[in-house]
Amino acid sequence: NAGVMQNPRHLVRRRGQEARLRCSPMKGHSHVYWYRQLPEEGLKFMVYLQKENIIDESGMPKERFSAEFPKEGPSILRIQQVVRGDSAAYFCASSPVGSYEQYFGPGTRLTVT
Amino acid sequence: DQQVKQNSPSLSVQEGRISILNCDYTNSMFDYFLWYKKYPAEGPTFLISISSIKDKNEDGRFTVFLNKSAKHLSLHIVPSQPGDSAVYFCAASAAAGAQKLVFGQGTRLTINP
Repeated sequence: NAGVMQNPRHLVRRRGQEARLRCSPMKGHSHVYWYRQLPEEGLKFMVYLQKENIIDESGMPKERFSAEFPKEGPSILRIQQVVRGDSAAYFCASSPVGSYEQYFGPGTRLTVT
Repeated sequence: DQQVKQNSPSLSVQEGRISILNCDYTNSMFDYFLWYKKYPAEGPTFLISISSIKDKNEDGRFTVFLNKSAKHLSLHIVPSQPGDSAVYFCAASAAAGAQKLVFGQGTRLTINP
């Protein structure tokens, strides 16, 4: 049973470009969460999605960031017009219905130059 | 506002001894607590969890204790092994919070041979 998959593992973007991060949840998991970890800090919640629905986006910056989890395919976290402060590790997690326990992918390390 | 705090950034323990990692929280709405272990360049790995209706949960070498009145939980690892060297994150969730996890800053555990 494959775990949570994220790609790419490393992504380098220049300031002003767009970054797209992908996440495929574990088989049987319908809930997807995105978290961001800045250097030397803990993980910070960004958004919680179910298929075709955003349930909680209280941790998402108001501008430039968006997320989706379509009926078919992976969840996508999109960052438009990236700035240096967006450089971080972005982790996706998934959980089955009714469970508090979230299982994390390996993360995407975004570097903005 | 740091709702979950791990006040020890690092901890060094001799192999075979007990490791005790601590975590404090401020939000009385939290009703589920989890511990994750993280190696560099990898995603967090779920270790053990506890519901607020319990005060102890044990799984092999890992035991989590919850003191609701003090808003404090701890993770005990015994005996400690070199492979336990990692960063440990405490996380909390509230049923009313759409299950998003609130993480502490992490404690870096080093097991010395």
